[in-house]
Amino acid sequence: KQEVTQIPAALSVPEGENLVLNCSFTDSAIYNLQWFRQDPGKGLTSLLLIQSSQREQTSGRLNASLDKSSGRSTLYIAASQPGDSATYLCAVWGGMLTFGGGTRLMVKP
Amino acid sequence: GAGVSQSPRYKVAKRGQDVALRCDPISGHVSLFWYQQALGQGPEFLTYFQNEAQLDKSGLPSDRFFAERPEGSVSTLKIQRTQQEDSAVYLCASSSTGANVLTFGAGSRLTVL
Repeated sequence: KQEVTQIPAALSVPEGENLVLNCSFTDSAIYNLQWFRQDPGKGLTSLLLIQSSQREQTSGRLNASLDKSSGRSTLYIAASQPGDSATYLCAVWGGMLTFGGGTRLMVKP
Repeated sequence: GAGVSQSPRYKVAKRGQDVALRCDPISGHVSLFWYQQALGQGPEFLTYFQNEAQLDKSGLPSDRFFAERPEGSVSTLKIQRTQQEDSAVYLCASSSTGANVLTFGAGSRLTVL
């Protein structure tokens, strides 16, 4: 059974810092990996999707990498802003989407 | 429709009541998934439909949970005799044939008192 783990569970940083969120998964037989953002009381917003054949994807200040063989992904956020405060969820697709527990990010002004 | 629609957005139930949560997937989407997200946790898989067939219900936590999709479009998740531990956000997602990407609805937040 696929298990997805996210570290850290919570993170608080001052505005402007660059930061890295980590995701690991136990079964490398995945089709893709996706990073979502979730604001309190809201649904899921897809940030980046990395296909299994890709190594990374970039969107604005966000960069996600995938190392399928080691079962790891990182989400890099450059020059963090208070508006980035949210929960970030990593999920892998292997026939169904399996989520990690999320990292709750707080960016302080 | 343009997106996945879920109703009600918020539901408060007294312990022991039955509730029904509705999901309207994107028109033409064959696959439909239900997830349960407890407070502070990631979403957990409940069940999966392909058209009207329920292909996987391994994530349903007890026999009080029942899901159906009789005509292969709208789906209903029913919870009988609700208990406090059923309090969560219930997310529905759909995808088209062969796609490996899900589109999520905004969720239905259930609070059991």
